[in-house]
Amino acid sequence: QVKLQESGPGLVKPSETLSLTCTVSGGSISDYYWTWIRQPPGKGLEWIGYMYYSGSTKYKPSLKSRVTISLNTSKSQFSLKLSSVTAADTAVYYCARTRSDLPYYYYGMDVWGQGTTVTVSS
Amino acid sequence: QSMLTQPPSASGTPGQRVTISCFGSSSNIGSNTVNWYQQLPGTAPKLLIYSNNLRPSGVPDRFSGSKSGTSTSLAISGLHSEDEADYYCGTWDDSLNGFVFGTGTKVTVL
Repeated sequence: QVKLQESGPGLVKPSETLSLTCTVSGGSISDYYWTWIRQPPGKGLEWIGYMYYSGSTKYKPSLKSRVTISLNTSKSQFSLKLSSVTAADTAVYYCARTRSDLPYYYYGMDVWGQGTTVTVSS
Repeated sequence: QSMLTQPPSASGTPGQRVTISCFGSSSNIGSNTVNWYQQLPGTAPKLLIYSNNLRPSGVPDRFSGSKSGTSTSLAISGLHSEDEADYYCGTWDDSLNGFVFGTGTKVTVL
């Protein structure tokens, strides 16, 4: 059974870079899309972007200038970097998996991590 | 500001049928298939429906999805107390060139 686990600092200072890692266990990191989603306190879900195992990426346009998603296949991990953070980036951050044999949106995000809370504060 | 609009709340008594709508446009729901997610309190979202009306293995058949034009619906037939959760629709938006989630609907079991 595939499991995803997010990890990283729970507190980040304003203007600094938020860095999170998602570790994939129990399955291959190949042949899937790997996605980051966040949820501000008391609010809805926000899609941040994905990386395809081949290396291609797609980001939410309003975050594109600050986001980088990367893959480390040897460690079965993928990562999120979000630069120049502000209080508005405070959220629970989730990683998720999507099958890749059809368009990204077709199969949905079928495996999710438990989420990690990141607070932006000085 | 989400491009997919859902009613903020819905409710029903155990055993009732509850329907949640999700309204979009030609660039999202009108062009692409839709997923639905269930988020129980304090937990990560879970995929409930994909490709408009298909259920992943393990999802009870009391959950069903449908799509018509630029709107989509999730129906819960025979509401259970454990169905009390937030529900989100989601799909790709061709104009935004990104994935979008709905605003979310909180289902309360009375």
